[in-house]
Parts: sequence; C-alpha cells; structure tokens
Amino acid sequence: ETGVTQSPTHLIKTRGQQVTLRCSSQSGHNTVSWYQQALGQGPQFIFQYYREEENGRGNFPPRFSGLQFPNYSSELNVNALELDDSALYLCASSLKGNGEKLFFGSGTQLSVL
Amino acid sequence: QQQVKQSPQSLIVQKGGISIINCAYENTAFDYFPWYQQFPGKGPALLIAIRPDVSEKKEGRFTISFNKSAKQFSLHIMDSQPGDSATYFCAASSGSNYKLTFGKGTLLTVNP
Repeated sequence: ETGVTQSPTHLIKTRGQQVTLRCSSQSGHNTVSWYQQALGQGPQFIFQYYREEENGRGNFPPRFSGLQFPNYSSELNVNALELDDSALYLCASSLKGNGEKLFFGSGTQLSVL
Repeated sequence: QQQVKQSPQSLIVQKGGISIINCAYENTAFDYFPWYQQFPGKGPALLIAIRPDVSEKKEGRFTISFNKSAKQFSLHIMDSQPGDSATYFCAASSGSNYKLTFGKGTLLTVNP
C-alpha cells in the first residue's frame, strides 16, 4: 500500500452534474498530481498542485479544477459532467525535489450516465 | 499526438520465460523513463526507472534497456512468474515537475 487514499472508490453521476473527488497524500509528501485513466488506456496528466497552487496542467478544459489544502490533501472538481468523463481518476503524491517517485492511490471510478 | 508508443498491446508468456515490452518516444526533451505495474483495482506502482545517461538498469528480475539514438526503451522481465501478470505502462517526463506521459499499456499474462 502506498499511503495515498482516495474517496469515494466508486461514483455514479448523470451528465451535466458536478463531482468532487478527494485525495489524502502520503505522509510527508507536499505535491499532488491528478491523472485520468480511461478504460484500456494509460493515465493522462490533469494537473499538479504544490504549496496549494497549480503547478502544471495537462490538456484538460477549465471545468476540471482542483484544490490543495495546507495538510497537502487535495480535491478534484469536475463541472458539467460529460459521458466521456467516465474514467478512473488517480491521485499521486510525491515530495518536491524527489518528484520522480510518484505514489498512486487506487483511484475513484467515475461513471457518467 | 501520442508521444509515447508502447507495444505489444498484450503478451502471453510461459512461467520462467522472458517478457519484453517496448516503448518509443518522440520528445527529445524527455529525461526520465519509468515503468509502472498496475493490478486490477489498484493504481500504478513504480517498478523501475532510468535516465538517459545510462543504457541499462537492472533491479532483480527487471531490466530496462535504453537506446537514446533510437529514442526507444524496453522492459525485460526475466524468469516471469504468474504473479507478474498485470498491466505494464511505460512513461516519460521532462523537467522538474515530473508530469508523466504514459504509453497505452501492455497486458501481460504469465501462464503457470
């Protein structure tokens, strides 16, 4: 186990709704990254947070937003859900300066109907 | 644009055999190349990684071979075991923020 916990594990939403996914990073880690993994695909980088600020973003629209809290935990928010948002959302924590070692949680499986 | 191309999509190997998975990249700025292992219902876990200053790295039964001029790298799993059955992803990143670009994955099945 990596020590990175995500909640909820599964979620079902309907198109147009909003969703919030949560992540608790591994103890001592100050950087959180979010990835989207569609079925049968590799994870795709959404964004990274360091010291409560966005520190890099992938090719995702603004309706994907995030937060990092002082305790380094993080949230991923997705507005106006679309069917294509159905995927496994992975959170990964790391320590700035040693960021190459990403520790992933088990993910939140989001289904949009 | 797929910056990291991975092959094969699936691989079946007998116990004790060698599993080989290949990746090719396009972005010459990439300077970090990890391999991740993912079991069903779990997130990816770092297996082994290499930087371009070396051509090979070995950790136990797992070896990365790296060819900078060809922009290719591969994972070799020696003495493959049924417990190695999982999906393997190659990835690449550049710079200090370690945004990873993943391949599409290889489903490895090791038959007993």
